[in-house]
Amino acid sequence: AQSVSQHNHHVILSEAASLELGCNYSYGGTVNLFWYVQYPGQHLQLLLKYFSGDPLVKGIKGFEAEFIKSKFSFNLRKPSVQWSDTAEYFCAVTGGVAAGNKLTFGGGTRVLVKP
Amino acid sequence: ETGVTQSPTHLIKTRGQQVTLRCSSQSGHNTVSWYQQALGQGPQFIFQYYREEENGRGNFPPRFSGLQFPNYSSELNVNALELDDSALYLCASSLDRGGLSYEQYFGPGTRLTVT
Repeated sequence: AQSVSQHNHHVILSEAASLELGCNYSYGGTVNLFWYVQYPGQHLQLLLKYFSGDPLVKGIKGFEAEFIKSKFSFNLRKPSVQWSDTAEYFCAVTGGVAAGNKLTFGGGTRVLVKP
Repeated sequence: ETGVTQSPTHLIKTRGQQVTLRCSSQSGHNTVSWYQQALGQGPQFIFQYYREEENGRGNFPPRFSGLQFPNYSSELNVNALELDDSALYLCASSLDRGGLSYEQYFGPGTRLTVT
């Protein structure tokens, strides 16, 4: 069975600081990887996705993620955060047809950016 | 905004009752997935519907059931409500192409409270 682990439950940082959120998954086959963000009072939004090709993926709002297959990791990064990046971030994986195309989510990381 | 809509926004039910939640998928999408998000946790996959048939199910009891209609909208039904069913129920739509569906787009969710 697929599982996703997000290492940090809560992160507090100041504006202009760099952000890195860890994500590890367990699944033996080909995976599709995603980061979703949930801003306060808003619905889940897709930040970025990885299906194949260049393991460094760029998403919206200056976010990027790197897929390291040997480490089963897909960490999210942003060089300089803003107060508006305060949100909950979820890493998710699908295992393709064999896994029924269901999204398996990590537990989420709450990020608070102090102005 | 993703174009995925859900109704109602909030719902309060009593233990033992039944509830129906509704979802309209994004235009052009043919697959709907349902997730349960308990407070402080990541979304958990309930089931997915494609071409009006269930196409994968998570670890949820049979009292959770669903439907997909010819216009690709969907319903989630929960019978014999329990207190632990209190959660945010999320609908996500996607386009299934050749057996693989990729990014899923989420609606705002229905907040269900069971008392």
